[in-house]
Amino acid sequence: NAGVTQTPKFRVLKTGQSMTLLCAQDMNHEYMYWYRQDPGMGLRLIHYSVGEGTTAKGEVPDGYNVSRLKKQNFLLGLESAAPSQTSVYFCASSYLVLADEQFFGPGTRLTVL
Amino acid sequence: AQSVSQHNHHVILSEAASLELGCNYSYGGTVNLFWYVQYPGQHLQLLLKYFSGDPLVKGIKGFEAEFIKSKFSFNLRKPSVQWSDTAEYFCAVFSGGYNKLIFGAGTRLAVHP
Repeated sequence: NAGVTQTPKFRVLKTGQSMTLLCAQDMNHEYMYWYRQDPGMGLRLIHYSVGEGTTAKGEVPDGYNVSRLKKQNFLLGLESAAPSQTSVYFCASSYLVLADEQFFGPGTRLTVL
Repeated sequence: AQSVSQHNHHVILSEAASLELGCNYSYGGTVNLFWYVQYPGQHLQLLLKYFSGDPLVKGIKGFEAEFIKSKFSFNLRKPSVQWSDTAEYFCAVFSGGYNKLIFGAGTRLAVHP
């Protein structure tokens, strides 16, 4: 039981490049989330999904897109990376509802030059 | 706007000292409350949670937290810290009225032997 996994762990991009971060969970959770963590600001929700085929905007969605084609996977895309998107990105999942305990992945450290 | 405040950004203690980390939130109504911990190089994991019932909640590794509704607070405590408690601690509050989970900015705790 791997829990929540994320790939890649580290990535450096140039401004304007695109990339996709992959999150996978093997706990059969309905809800999945993408957060970014910036110094002094805690975690901020980018997008989330309440089930396969659904997505919704969080607190800071601009510049990101997501897809949930399979229940166990949640992809975060950056179409045209900007230096302001330099951050640590965490994926999380929860069993049933937004109010439940969330299980986090190990994070992806992204630097945009 | 909804917010979660963690008063101390950095705390330095010696082993065996007592710990109290403050957390205050700005919502009224029903809330679910969480403390998460992020050990160096690891992902966030749940320390304890409060949904209802006894306002004094016990978590893993000797941590506890007290929900004081009148003060909108959920402070984390440990009577005697260890070097292994060195980590970053995040308070998170889910408000049913706003259907949002908001994280505080985090408190970095360093425990010196």
